[in-house]
Amino acid sequence: AQTVTQSQPEMSVQEAETVTLSCTYDTSESDYYLFWYKQPPSRQMILVIRQEAYKQQNATENRFSVNFQKAAKSFSLKISDSQLGDAAMYFCAYRGRRYSGGGADGLTFGKGTHLIIQP
Amino acid sequence: DTGVSQDPRHKITKRGQNVTFRCDPISEHNRLYWYRQTLGQGPEFLTYFQNEAQLEKSRLLSDRFSAERPKGSFSTLEIQRTEQGDSAMYLCASSAEGIRNQPQHFGDGTRLSIL
Repeated sequence: AQTVTQSQPEMSVQEAETVTLSCTYDTSESDYYLFWYKQPPSRQMILVIRQEAYKQQNATENRFSVNFQKAAKSFSLKISDSQLGDAAMYFCAYRGRRYSGGGADGLTFGKGTHLIIQP
Repeated sequence: DTGVSQDPRHKITKRGQNVTFRCDPISEHNRLYWYRQTLGQGPEFLTYFQNEAQLEKSRLLSDRFSAERPKGSFSTLEIQRTEQGDSAMYLCASSAEGIRNQPQHFGDGTRLSIL
């Protein structure tokens, strides 16, 4: 079964600075998808960024970018110019191929990293 | 696009009672997922529908849990004979068929508290 590990329970960054959240995963599949979701307090989960494993180019969405290292099974999220609205729980998630036998079609999430933005 | 809607937002019940939650996905989405999220943890996959067919169930979905999507639109998740360990946030998500990297859109969740 696939597992996703987020080793940082909590991270703190000054407003306007850059922060990197780490994520590692374990899988035997070669084709899969990785996601970062943001969950503000008492609010719904929102997709931040996604990456297809077959693409070598790292995904970027405005201030958010990833460092995808397939061989190392690492998928970190970099947030540039941090803003107060970025404060939330951030979850890394994995999704494998549908009929690979590797598990459910649902997402496998890490335990999350609580990001605090210091004004 | 009104988003994924879940009802109720909060449910408090006594141990042993049955509860039912509803999820209305985004209208053009034919895939619907249920997750459970306990405090301090990431969501855990429970089950998944494509249209009205329930295609996968995780081992977390005990026989006290049943999910339906009778017409391929809204879905219900029922928990029978609730236990203290069922206290959690129950999240519903939906996505479009086709390209597999289509993201799942989540609802606000139903928070279940067992007394």
